Amino acid sequence: AQTVTQSQPEMSVQEAETVTLSCTYDTSESDYYLFWYKQPPSRQMILVIRQEAYKQQNATENRFSVNFQKAAKSFSLKISDSQLGDAAMYFCAYRTINSGNTPLVFGKGTRLSVIA
Amino acid sequence: GAVVSQHPSRVICKSGTSVKIECRSLDFQATTMFWYRQFPKQSLMLMATSNEGSKATYEQGVEKDKFLINHASLTLSTLTVTSAHPEDSSFYICSALVGLSGEYFGPGTRLTVT
Repeated sequence: AQTVTQSQPEMSVQEAETVTLSCTYDTSESDYYLFWYKQPPSRQMILVIRQEAYKQQNATENRFSVNFQKAAKSFSLKISDSQLGDAAMYFCAYRTINSGNTPLVFGKGTRLSVIA
Repeated sequence: GAVVSQHPSRVICKSGTSVKIECRSLDFQATTMFWYRQFPKQSLMLMATSNEGSKATYEQGVEKDKFLINHASLTLSTLTVTSAHPEDSSFYICSALVGLSGEYFGPGTRLTVT
């Protein structure tokens, strides 16, 4: 079974600075999806970024980018120019491609604080 | 983007009563929806996979007779907590699957059982 590990329970960053959240995963599959979700205090889960494993190019979405290292099974999230609104729980997640409707496998999350 | 709604957002019920939570995909059809439970400061815990027109698949340890799931249409799944007890108090989140690369979440329902 696949597992997702987020080794940093809490992180903090100064406003306008850059922070990197770590995520590693374990799988024997060669093709899959990886995601980062944000859960602000409202608790609404928001998709931040997704990466298809067969694509070597790292995904980017505005200030958010990932460093996808397939061989190392690492999928870190970089937030540039951090803003107060980035403060939230961040969850890394994995989905297999091999079967149609399998659920996401989530990490335990990293709580990000942004200091003004 | 795809929008998923949940109703109610908050509910308080008395111990022993049942409460129904609705999850709707507003602008798309979803063959598969998921139900999660989230305890404070923890990750999402999958309860069950809800497939339109068929029985839900429950995760190990989740009582199917207590957490009844119905997915009668491509836009609606419901979770009924039967004979609720204080230990069922939690935050319940649904999501809808769009292909393999898109899972969209509802805003959640906070259930308090007194």
